[in-house]
Amino acid sequence: DIQMTQSPSSLSASVGDRVTITCRSSHNITNYLNWYQQKPGKAPKLLIYAVSSLQSGVPSRFSGSGSGTDFTLTISSLQPEDFATYYCQRSYSTPHTFGQGTRLEIK
Amino acid sequence: EVQLVQSGADVKKPGESLKISCKASGYSFTSYWIGWVRQMPGKGLEWMGIIYPGDSDTRYSPSFQGQVTISADKSISTAYLQWTSLKASDTAMYYCARPTSYTISSGGFDYWGQGTLITVSS
Repeated sequence: DIQMTQSPSSLSASVGDRVTITCRSSHNITNYLNWYQQKPGKAPKLLIYAVSSLQSGVPSRFSGSGSGTDFTLTISSLQPEDFATYYCQRSYSTPHTFGQGTRLEIK
Repeated sequence: EVQLVQSGADVKKPGESLKISCKASGYSFTSYWIGWVRQMPGKGLEWMGIIYPGDSDTRYSPSFQGQVTISADKSISTAYLQWTSLKASDTAMYYCARPTSYTISSGGFDYWGQGTLITVSS
């Protein structure tokens, strides 16, 4: 299986901070990399697909980059509603594995 | 408007069988894959498998192959996830979700059901 490893597992930050979460694949997944946000008790929400394409309605402070095996999600200026758990996911060949998640907490 | 509406929460005993559903509306059900995702209490997301209702082509994660069955009834635009013998470790929230595009190698899941909480306890 292709493994997806996120880092860090958790992160404390303040409103207005710039935050970066990384996701590493054990194999080359070209650009089939997606990012989700999940808040407690809610279904995940797709933020970014195909590495860097912003899903409709997602604020432009979210951005993604990378290729091959190393990817990043950046939030340029944290807002109170951004404190949540973030997951990467590969969607190349099945299984479309998720990373283990990064919990973003308020400092 | 695309909607995925899942069946309600359920409490079962170990060894019992169960089939949960995901009814789709607002798009051509037979044209998009539908996937299932597990989230155990306090844990992360796990991709279980995916089905193409148009021809019932189904792919499973190796972690779930043989443990669950994914199916779909295109006459009623509904996907299913079923177990023949539940274990306590199957206690989790289960989500159905639809990918962004027609192809299996898509841009992720952009539509999600509300989740079905399954509790397995003696």
